[in-house]
Amino acid sequence: EVHLVESGGGVVRPGGSLRLSCAASGSTFGDHGMSWVRQVPGKGLEWVSGITWSGDSTDYVDSVKGRFTISRDNAKKSLYLQMNSLRVEDTALYYCARGFNFGPFADWGQGTLVTVSS
Amino acid sequence: EVVLTQSPGTLSLSPGERATLSCRASQSISSDYLAWYQQKPGQAPRLLIYRASSRATGIPDRFTGSGSGTDFTLAISRLEPEDFAVYFCQQYVDSRRTFGQGTKVEIK
Repeated sequence: EVHLVESGGGVVRPGGSLRLSCAASGSTFGDHGMSWVRQVPGKGLEWVSGITWSGDSTDYVDSVKGRFTISRDNAKKSLYLQMNSLRVEDTALYYCARGFNFGPFADWGQGTLVTVSS
Repeated sequence: EVVLTQSPGTLSLSPGERATLSCRASQSISSDYLAWYQQKPGQAPRLLIYRASSRATGIPDRFTGSGSGTDFTLAISRLEPEDFAVYFCQQYVDSRRTFGQGTKVEIK
């Protein structure tokens, strides 16, 4: 099991940028693919982006391609999501989760809230 | 894109009763790459079931996943007070890794 803690959320204007971070504890962070999943409060879940354990492959939901960039630093046991050109519809609680290719999301952080509003 | 449709939207039951939740996929999910999650208010989702029928670590045996192809079911044999929550199914065979819209299990 990996314990995950997200940070970096906040209020930003449309067109702005934010960088989310996810700090992991546990010895196996570098063994697993990782993802970001978002949820509009009270609504459903949407996978946003994922990265392999080595960082050599990434993937994104179509709506964020070209605007968001996922990365990781295994030495720091950290996952990141750089979000540029933010839109109102990106407003959501963003969860960091263990899992990516052909695997469920086995561990979740508590989420960090991103609000895009003018 | 695989679309997952959960039913019913809300299930009203009493503690001790059996709950049966359905998740139907728009196309066959190979290798049974389907998971179920539980989410309580103010909390992150928690993995219950993966590969359609395998319980995640620490999940009580009153939770049972079944099904294959396009039709999947999560059964809770006897509802405990802590089981009243929202349940999501999710497929991880398609690159969109889509979720169902959720079923709320509420106290009757």
